[in-house]
Amino acid sequence: KQEVTQIPAALSVPEGENLVLNCSFTDSAIYNLQWFRQDPGKGLTSLLLIQSSQREQTSGRLNASLDKSSGRSTLYIAASQPGDSATYLCAGSSNSGYALNFGKGTSLLVTP
Amino acid sequence: EAGVAQSPRYKIIEKRQSVAFWCNPISGHATLYWYQQILGQGPKLLIQFQNNGVVDDSQLPKDRFSAERLKGVDSTLKIQPAKLEDSAVYLCASSFGGSDYGYTFGSGTRLTVV
Repeated sequence: KQEVTQIPAALSVPEGENLVLNCSFTDSAIYNLQWFRQDPGKGLTSLLLIQSSQREQTSGRLNASLDKSSGRSTLYIAASQPGDSATYLCAGSSNSGYALNFGKGTSLLVTP
Repeated sequence: EAGVAQSPRYKIIEKRQSVAFWCNPISGHATLYWYQQILGQGPKLLIQFQNNGVVDDSQLPKDRFSAERLKGVDSTLKIQPAKLEDSAVYLCASSFGGSDYGYTFGSGTRLTVV
């Protein structure tokens, strides 16, 4: 069974800093990957989807990359803002028809 | 497009009682998933449907949990009888096809078993 590890578990940064969240999979045979954001008491909001034919995706200040050879993904957040404070979850699938396996998330706090 | 709808939003029950959750996926999404998220953990897959057929229910505690997706549209997840350890957020997600299309999640149902 695919296990997903997210590092760090928690992170606190001052506003304006650039930061990187890490995600790794025990089985490097990752088909595709999706990053989500979860606010307290809320559901999951999709941030970026890296499809099977892709290695990187960008949306605004967010950039996610996937290295299939190592089974690792990073989420880069540029110029962080207090509104970015949330839990960030990565999830990967081993094949098109398989469900996503989630990590425990990184809890991010951006202080003004 | 309308999102994934879930109800109720919150539920508090006593142990050994039964409870049911409802999910209506995005129109046209063939694949529907139920996840359980315990506080401080990532979501764990309970069951995956493709239209009205079950694709994966290997992590569903079948002695107490059941789920159905009649007519391949909306779905219900039931717990009977509930245990204290079932306290969690139950998330429903849907996808147009496989994971390459991405998942859309509902707001979840927060269950507290006392």
